[in-house]
Order: sequence, then C-alpha cells, then structure tokens
Amino acid sequence: DADVTQTPRNRITKTGKRIMLECSQTKGHDRMYWYRQDPGLGLRLIYYSFDVKDINKGEISDGYSVSRQAQAKFSLSLESAIPNQTALYFCATSDRQGRETQYFGPGTRLLVL
Amino acid sequence: GENVEQHPSTLSVQEGDSAVIKCTYSDSASNYFPWYKQELGKRPQLIIDIRSNVGEKKDQRIAVTLNKTAKHFSLHITETQPEDSAVYFCAVTNFGNEKLTFGTGTRLTIIP
Repeated sequence: DADVTQTPRNRITKTGKRIMLECSQTKGHDRMYWYRQDPGLGLRLIYYSFDVKDINKGEISDGYSVSRQAQAKFSLSLESAIPNQTALYFCATSDRQGRETQYFGPGTRLLVL
Repeated sequence: GENVEQHPSTLSVQEGDSAVIKCTYSDSASNYFPWYKQELGKRPQLIIDIRSNVGEKKDQRIAVTLNKTAKHFSLHITETQPEDSAVYFCAVTNFGNEKLTFGTGTRLTIIP
C-alpha cells in the first residue's frame, strides 16, 4: 500500500544516538499510530495521534517520543537508542469514518549496536 | 487494559486441509475483532473482521467466528494453499477506545 510510506526502511545506529523514523501518508486519514514488532510479542503500540497536536502514549512509550507535524506526517524519535530497541517499527493510519481498519506502512528495520 | 491471547504460536497443515487459530480476550466491552495477515517481509494487512453483533462472517475460504459469552474468536481457513503461509494476528478493540490490542501472532506454514 504505497499510500503509507516510512523512511528509512533500514537503519543501523549505535547506543546513545538519537534517531528519527518518519511516516507519511496520502490517504487523508486523521489517525496515525506507531508500533514495534518483536518476534513472539506481536505488535505493540508505542504512540498514537488522532489529529495534529493530539499525542497519546501507548503501552510501551518509555524511551520514545513523537511529533505530528501535519495531518500527513507522524515521526517517531528514539532520544538515546539502546540495544533492546532493536525491532521492526510500523506506522499505521486509520480514518475517522472507517476507523477500525488500520493501514500499515512497509516498516523500518532498526538495529541498535 | 485489554489482554489478548492467541494460540497456537505456530501451525503447520497439509495443503488442502483446514487451519484454525483462536484468540481470547479479557474486556467484555470489546466489540470489534479484526484479523491481519503478514507475509514474509511485508506489512500486516486486514483480511477479515467481525463486530460483536454478528456470530460468524465468511469471505471465500476464510471465516471468523465469535463467542462473546466465552470471550473468544477464531479464524478458519479452508482448502489451504501455499499462499496462505504467513503470520496471522488477531486484534481487539471497542469503539470508545479506538486502539487495537494485538495478539502475539501465529506462524502458519502450508506443507505442499
């Protein structure tokens, strides 16, 4: 689904570095989400936003921050990366009308050394 | 908060046989239950969903059943094909919450 894009697709960084993952969407959706995926743990919600200037913590927000710069953009930052933040990160969007269905981006594979 | 358990974590079936994946949830207020499929190296995609006012829903070879009393729902795939090999995630929410809680996933392998 090219309507939801993530950059970068792969990233290797070192412990203590600050990094930013970006998500953009052209679907016109107002709701955006960040998840991380770890083997055997499924998809866990980090942060979500229902509109510009609306930011909500998910179940695993410690060590992360987000910014909703515009309706179409939602960025995830790791302030000081640590090895256990190595994971696959997905952005997702949903619509106010059909809000149940979430559309995922292609994912960003992050390795923290 | 909501707790979702998904079983089994891995499942292998012969091509042409049926596969069943089950999820249980804890919040009786939950009223929307989607299933997502994630092929290797790809993003999760919605394949079927069910709302709490319906007991069963079918879409060609896949179906979902819901037992609200027991708080569990299941994904059924009949006449399995190699392209059904993937990781399947159940999820749960209620419309007031507007967040999905996902199960831990089931890796389904179809044996030719």
